[in-house]
Amino acid sequence: AQTVTQSQPEMSVQEAETVTLSCTYDTSENNYYLFWYKQPPSRQMILVIRQEAYKQQNATENRFSVNFQKAAKSFSLKISDSQLGDTAMYFCAFDAFGNEKLTFGTGTRLTIIP
Amino acid sequence: NAGVTQTPKFQVLKTGQSMTLQCAQDMNHNSMYWYRQDPGMGLRLIYYSASEGTTDKGEVPNGYNVSRLNKREFSLRLESAAPSQTSVYFCASSEAGTSGNRETQYFGPGTRLLVL
Repeated sequence: AQTVTQSQPEMSVQEAETVTLSCTYDTSENNYYLFWYKQPPSRQMILVIRQEAYKQQNATENRFSVNFQKAAKSFSLKISDSQLGDTAMYFCAFDAFGNEKLTFGTGTRLTIIP
Repeated sequence: NAGVTQTPKFQVLKTGQSMTLQCAQDMNHNSMYWYRQDPGMGLRLIYYSASEGTTDKGEVPNGYNVSRLNKREFSLRLESAAPSQTSVYFCASSEAGTSGNRETQYFGPGTRLLVL
């Protein structure tokens, strides 16, 4: 079974600063996907970024980028130039290829301070 | 294009009552899912449906039943609600096939359920 660990329950950072959220996972699979989802106060789950394990290049989406370390089973999310709208819960999730079932971490509550 | 929709948004039940949570998607996705989210925990999979006419148990299926009515709709039923089922319920869908976004799940807005 897969497990996903987010060791930072809460974080806060000043607006415009850079913040990194940590995620580690445990799996015996070789082919899989990793995701970061954002959940603002509205509770809507919004996909932030995804990474395919077979790709060595780290995924980026505008101000969001990941540091994917497959050997270390680490998948951190970096938010650059943080904005007030980034305030949310952030969940890391794992999906083994062909499994189509997400395993979520417990989340990190991120607060951007004006 | 509404994506994934869920009804109702909020519901209060008494212990022992039954209800059905509705979910529909308009993205022509084959796979659909039901999750629950409890405080301090991530989302946990209740049931999923890989295609029309098929359903499978997830991590926490006890106390729930599902129906994949057609390709668009996937309902979750609580036959006899218990306080332990107080939670926020999310429906999601994903595309099956060989496209690049095959594994990405798209979520509905959630249903907040309170069982007294």
